[in-house]
Amino acid sequence: NAGVTQTPKFQVLKTGQSMTLQCAQDMNHEYMSWYRQDPGMGLRLIHYSVGAGITDQGEVPNGYNVSRSTTEDFPLRLLSAAPSQTSVYFCASSVSGTEYYGYTFGSGTRLTVV
Amino acid sequence: KNQVEQSPQSLIILEGKNCTLQCNYTVSPFSNLRWYKQDTGRGPVSLTIMTFSENTKSNGRYTATLDADTKQSSLHITASQLSDSASYICVVMLNTGFQKLVFGTGTRLLVSP
Repeated sequence: NAGVTQTPKFQVLKTGQSMTLQCAQDMNHEYMSWYRQDPGMGLRLIHYSVGAGITDQGEVPNGYNVSRSTTEDFPLRLLSAAPSQTSVYFCASSVSGTEYYGYTFGSGTRLTVV
Repeated sequence: KNQVEQSPQSLIILEGKNCTLQCNYTVSPFSNLRWYKQDTGRGPVSLTIMTFSENTKSNGRYTATLDADTKQSSLHITASQLSDSASYICVVMLNTGFQKLVFGTGTRLLVSP
């Protein structure tokens, strides 16, 4: 099925460990982004990309890295996990990040840092 | 400060009944307003997108309204079904160089049999 695929669905990390959250889309969307969702808060943008080779920071980028080597993939790397990074992470894609185009979200990765 | 506020925080209704969810925003410059449905353990799914000039947009039993003058939107659900149980998130897109989304915290709806 066409859409945004995130892996893994669940992950437990120890403080200081690193890991990569995977995100892939098969809709040939140029725009991809990562959000985190925390209880009582709206989704917040971590990083985004407007095309292969182009990435930029969102509102909460500290502790995260991204790269975009292909149109399809947009992995999110946690460099040294901290308990404050316990959250649900969503990847989203769109034809472009502008105006009237809808966003397609993945089903999320629930991350716990202990 | 750009903010999107939703009410109520949670709501329980009987199957078959109608309900209306509210969204107030203080966002500038405004581009469009979106409503998303988020099932438990899933990502948000788009229901409607409305620009400044659109007052109403329907998607099946879901009807969204927008009053750009008062900066209010509502989502009306008709003849609710058990599958409507979810969180409903109001999102406003800013008309900036990068099209930033401002998310509300959502209304959690439970449809009871």
